[in-house]
Amino acid sequence: QSALTQPASVSGSPGQSITISCTGTSSDVGGYNYVSWYQQHPGKAPKLMIYEVSNRPSGVPDRFSGSKSGNTASLTISGLQAEDEADYYCSSYTSSSTWVFGGGTKLTVL
Amino acid sequence: EVQLVESGGGLVQPGGSLRLSCAASGFTVNSNYMSWVRQAPGKGLEWVSVIYSGGSTYYADSVKGRFTISRDNSKNTVYLQMNSLRAEDTAVYYCARMTLSDGFHVWGQGTMVTVSS
Repeated sequence: QSALTQPASVSGSPGQSITISCTGTSSDVGGYNYVSWYQQHPGKAPKLMIYEVSNRPSGVPDRFSGSKSGNTASLTISGLQAEDEADYYCSSYTSSSTWVFGGGTKLTVL
Repeated sequence: EVQLVESGGGLVQPGGSLRLSCAASGFTVNSNYMSWVRQAPGKGLEWVSVIYSGGSTYYADSVKGRFTISRDNSKNTVYLQMNSLRAEDTAVYYCARMTLSDGFHVWGQGTMVTVSS
C-alpha cells in the first residue's frame, strides 16, 4: 500500500494554468477509473473536487479538470485564483479493495 | 442535511486504546461505504479503513490487527476501535462517506488523537 506519487509543490500566477500529477501502478490508478482529487485548506477537512477521473461535483468550478493516462492521473486548474491556494491530494481504489492517497501537493498562487 | 460528526479523540498513552465515533445524519450508514482517513500533524492524508455496505471491512497495513471498524445501524454511527496505539498513530481522524465511483464525498470535521506518555 504505497502512497501515490505527487509533486511536493507547484506554483502559478493568477490567471495561469497548472497541472498536478499523480502516479501509481496498474494495481490502482492504472487499473481503475476510481481516481478522485481533494482540496484542503489549512485547518479544514478535505473537499472533493474531482471524482471518477474527470467528473466534477456540483458547485466545483469548471476551472478544475481531471484526466488519466496509463498509471498517471492529472488535475489541471486553469485561470488560477488566489483562493485555489491549498493542498491537493489524489486518491485511488486498489486491487486489494482498499484505497490509497497521494502524498499531497502544495499549490502556491504567486 | 447530510452531516458527519466525529468524537472520542483525546490523549492516550502508548499501548492504550481509544474508540472513535462518527455519527451520521441525513443518510443511513448501513447503505453506504464509510471510511476513516487520518492526517498526522503537518503530513498528508492516509486512508485507514473502510466498511462496505455489505459489511466487509478492510484496513491499511499500518493498522491491520490493531484497529477495528464497525457500525451500529440503530445509532446510525460508525466506530473505529483503536488498540495497541503507537506514537505514529497521532493524527486527526476523519470519517467520510464514500462510494466506489464518487470517492470520499462527505467528510466530518475530524477528531484529534494524541498518543504520548
